[in-house]
Amino acid sequence: GEDVEQSLFLSVREGDSSVINCTYTDSSSTYLYWYKQEPGAGLQLLTYIFSNMDMKQDQRLTVLLNKKDKHLSLRIADTQTGDSAIYFCAESIGRDNDMRFGAGTRLTVKP
Amino acid sequence: DTGVSQDPRHKITKRGQNVTFRCDPISEHNRLYWYRQTLGQGPEFLTYFQNEAQLEKSRLLSDRFSAERPKGSFSTLEIQRTEQGDSAMYLCASSPAGGLSNQPQHFGDGTRLSIL
Repeated sequence: GEDVEQSLFLSVREGDSSVINCTYTDSSSTYLYWYKQEPGAGLQLLTYIFSNMDMKQDQRLTVLLNKKDKHLSLRIADTQTGDSAIYFCAESIGRDNDMRFGAGTRLTVKP
Repeated sequence: DTGVSQDPRHKITKRGQNVTFRCDPISEHNRLYWYRQTLGQGPEFLTYFQNEAQLEKSRLLSDRFSAERPKGSFSTLEIQRTEQGDSAMYLCASSPAGGLSNQPQHFGDGTRLSIL
């Protein structure tokens, strides 16, 4: 089983905010990442947060980290149809940067 | 910056054949990673190189799998005597060395392997 868990599906209307949630289990995780994957493509790095931070904002993206609960979220403001994709949460452990991924959340944006 | 490049994009082969994939990392990145991704799942770590040294291998990497990075630049992943269960997307990623802090990995578009 996976140590990083995400809900599998999220559907929103264009213009609304999307919130994708993730829980992880390893408290020694140093970095937490959000990647986006479109059909037939590799993973595109969206944003990442260091474990001593609570929040990071980057244009329409806001990452919140609750280290006590091992909970990570990605908020996409003003969601567009082009945001439809699978979003992966990942944790990085140790200096070798081993990464552990969740199964991905499929975001569908309806016009 | 051309990003991480993988070749071929798609490979279809019969069970029992050998296949080899190539990955060209971002030029200044000395860490290179291979992952396998099956349908509906996130990527699973296979192996990782720092320069030409293969530093870690997952339990998923059976003895039919071998990876090389002979000059510390491009890498190849070979699967011998392919099986149905090897059908997956094989992803390569690269990053600069971490030093005191890890750097994010940048992924290629992957090689999709289909075993007939």
